[in-house]
Amino acid sequence: DAGVTQSPTHLIKTRGQQVTLRCSPKSGHDTVSWYQQALGQGPQFIFQYYEEEERQRGNFPDRFSGHQFPNYSSELNVNALLLGDSALYLCASNYGEGRTFGSGTRLTVV
Amino acid sequence: QKEVEQNSGPLSVPEGAIASLNCTYSDRGSQSFFWYRQYSGKSPELIMFIYSNGDKEDGRFTAQLNKASQYVSLLIRDSQPSDSATYLCAVNRPSGGSYIPTFGRGTSLIVHP
Repeated sequence: DAGVTQSPTHLIKTRGQQVTLRCSPKSGHDTVSWYQQALGQGPQFIFQYYEEEERQRGNFPDRFSGHQFPNYSSELNVNALLLGDSALYLCASNYGEGRTFGSGTRLTVV
Repeated sequence: QKEVEQNSGPLSVPEGAIASLNCTYSDRGSQSFFWYRQYSGKSPELIMFIYSNGDKEDGRFTAQLNKASQYVSLLIRDSQPSDSATYLCAVNRPSGGSYIPTFGRGTSLIVHP
């Protein structure tokens, strides 16, 4: 039974570019959430998708957007990348309480 | 005041000892409290969650919740070197009519042989 899978594993982008990260939830999970984790910090909640709609959103600007597909997979899009967007981006899925995290995408903005 | 506060550590305990990890939260309306373990370079993995005041035990782990004092703790009995990791406390904090997950920065635990 595959857990949460994320792609790509690592990514290097230039400031001002746009990036798309992808996530496939654990089998049986219908809710996907995205987090940004800077070095030495806890994960910060970006948003959560359920039934293809954004249900909750953390304190992130509109440059961060997402999508959920009918098969529950999800994408995170970040526009106009800033150096400060460099972080580990984690996707988590759940059905009820307790999230299962993917291994993350390490984004470096140069 | 941060929404979820944890001492960053490191907390160093000898093998076989009890490790005690603490977390406080600022919003009294918070519900659903979680402990995650994160090994260096890896993603967080859920250890346990607790909803009600009191203790909840799962193997060597005990979560304790005191809503009146707004703290959550995690006890690890018979600590092993493999328990060395960062422990993240997370709460579901009220926001805009819903609840959003909010993490502390984590406490680094080192269990030395």
